[in-house]
Amino acid sequence: NAGVTQTPKFRVLKTGQSMTLLCAQDMNHEYMYWYRQDPGMGLRLIHYSVGEGTTAKGEVPDGYNVSRLKKQNFLLGLESAAPSQTSVYFCASRKQGSGQYFGPGTRLTVT
Amino acid sequence: AQSVTQPDIHITVSEGASLELRCNYSYGATPYLFWYVQSPGQGLQLLLKYFSGDTLVQGIKGFEAEFKRSQSSFNLRKPSVHWSDAAEYFCAVDFNTNAGKSTFGDGTTLTVKP
Repeated sequence: NAGVTQTPKFRVLKTGQSMTLLCAQDMNHEYMYWYRQDPGMGLRLIHYSVGEGTTAKGEVPDGYNVSRLKKQNFLLGLESAAPSQTSVYFCASRKQGSGQYFGPGTRLTVT
Repeated sequence: AQSVTQPDIHITVSEGASLELRCNYSYGATPYLFWYVQSPGQGLQLLLKYFSGDTLVQGIKGFEAEFKRSQSSFNLRKPSVHWSDAAEYFCAVDFNTNAGKSTFGDGTTLTVKP
């Protein structure tokens, strides 16, 4: 099992550019999550999904969109990147009644 | 609002010494409780979890945690710390066990002195 994988690992964007981060899990988990981690602010939930075809807003959803067209994939989109979105992004997945499995993270810099 | 508090931002212990990391959460029905560890440049890894039953739970890497309902606490312990335990530790709580969302504490950074 590869677990949770994230693509890309690093990315530099200019302000206003768009991009999509891909998260994939091979554990058949129902739940998937996107977090951002900033120094001194812990983990903040952006969006999450409780199953294929469903998504919901987390704590800091503004400026991001997500899609869960397939159970194993959860995409995070930035339509118009801003410097405030410079962060490390983590994807995670879990099944009901378990802890979360995290990916290795994507380091995004917006200049 | 429901919250998770890790009172210690940074803790330093000597290698071989015992460790206790504190976690408190705001009141609610018995939640699901978790501890995660994050090494530099890595994602988070689940150390242990508590859902119900025995209030002392064992995890990976020699860690254990005790749920104390009366104190709304879930403190993480290790009897003898190794240099490789240096990392950031996060407590997380599922206040609504049907919602599938966890609330994370802000983390405690552990430094291990040789």
